[in-house]
Amino acid sequence: DIQVTQSPSSLSASVGDRVAIICRASQGIINYVNWYQHQPGKVPRVLISGPSTLESGVPSRFSASGSGTDFTLTISSLQREDSATYYCQQTYRTPWTFGQGTRVEI
Amino acid sequence: QVQLQESGPGLVKPSQTLSLTCTVSDDSVNYDKYYWSWIRQPAGKGLEWIGHFYVTGSTSYDPSLQSRLSMSLDTSKNEFSLRLNSVTAADTAIYYCARVRSGGPGPRGFYYYIDVWGRGISVTVS
Repeated sequence: DIQVTQSPSSLSASVGDRVAIICRASQGIINYVNWYQHQPGKVPRVLISGPSTLESGVPSRFSASGSGTDFTLTISSLQREDSATYYCQQTYRTPWTFGQGTRVEI
Repeated sequence: QVQLQESGPGLVKPSQTLSLTCTVSDDSVNYDKYYWSWIRQPAGKGLEWIGHFYVTGSTSYDPSLQSRLSMSLDTSKNEFSLRLNSVTAADTAIYYCARVRSGGPGPRGFYYYIDVWGRGISVTVS
């Protein structure tokens, strides 16, 4: 199985800050990475799908980059409503593993 | 707007079989454009991919669950199901059903992502 490791596991930042979440795969996955946001009491939603496609309705402050084994989700200017847990997921090979999540607190 | 709704028991005894169903509204499980998937989240932990099912009957399961797991599609009811045998407390989680769609072709096959989630159903093994 391809292991996916996210860092940090949690972070605290202020409104307006630039935030980066790292996702590292145990082997090369080209750019077959998705990023999801999961807010408490809500259903997860996709923010960015491979290759770095911003989904409809997602604010442009979210962006993703990377290839091979290292990937980054960036929030350019953190907003209060971005408080959530963020997950990366690789779909290069089944099982389509998720990272363990990064909790973002404002 | 497509909707997915999980149903099933909230409590299952150890060693028994967990059976969950996902009813799909405003879309067809027979449509060959999608995979139909299950994901779970144990309390205080992250998302875990369980597996997915395609209309042709092909499946892909998490290897750690494969010996206990089966998924199926019921096109007459427009729903898909999960069966997990010999459950233990470690199977206690919120279970989500989901639709997986293609994001287009890539250098090594199609990109896929989860675009629609059910609201989730809490299952306790005790």
